[in-house]
Amino acid sequence: GENVEQHPSTLSVQEGDSAVIKCTYSDSASNYFPWYKQELGKRPQLIIDIRSNVGEKKDQRIAVTLNKTAKHFSLHITETQPEDSAVYFCAAPHTSNDYKLSFGAGTTVTVRA
Amino acid sequence: KAGVTQTPRYLIKTRGQQVTLSCSPISGHRSVSWYQQTPGQGLQFLFEYFSETQRNKGNFPGRFSGRQFSNSRSEMNVSTLELGDSALYLCASSLERGGTGELFFGEGSRLTVL
Repeated sequence: GENVEQHPSTLSVQEGDSAVIKCTYSDSASNYFPWYKQELGKRPQLIIDIRSNVGEKKDQRIAVTLNKTAKHFSLHITETQPEDSAVYFCAAPHTSNDYKLSFGAGTTVTVRA
Repeated sequence: KAGVTQTPRYLIKTRGQQVTLSCSPISGHRSVSWYQQTPGQGLQFLFEYFSETQRNKGNFPGRFSGRQFSNSRSEMNVSTLELGDSALYLCASSLERGGTGELFFGEGSRLTVL
């Protein structure tokens, strides 16, 4: 199949706590895993991505981990702040379909002050 | 560098009509992808164009079509509109083929079908 499954669909965290979002993919040949953030009323923007030749990548308070054997990858946000409130989408390409990029259903993150 | 531009930003149509949406990619980007976004459904892939050729297509009926011009600008068309076509239509451009590098999204065209 071509599904990218994303969990949870909603996530509420206290400011300063960590948030974790998990995605699974079906195409074992997928080699590129981006995460997009969409603030209310705005366009999605890439926040971090990882390629299959590494297992983890960090950028300040956000990190992505990849487990190719289990075919899942996760977004970790540490020390959450109010501006982290947004919808987050994971994505993965389907190499058998000419690298069509499929997105997860999204996770609405709310950071409580 | 100008970002991805979509027009129109908002439009209202009635059932049975057709609509054409336009997308101007970032200069130098040859790939343009289109997505439909509805509440709770995330971003559903419509199609991708690269160098004026449709490279792949999502699971949408034939009423949804598109094209890309030699300057990489793209249009998508929806014919015989249905109520369920109400959505935000996003286009995204990229340097590389879709699924291999960063997508730069436009602000979208919000279509309401009455």
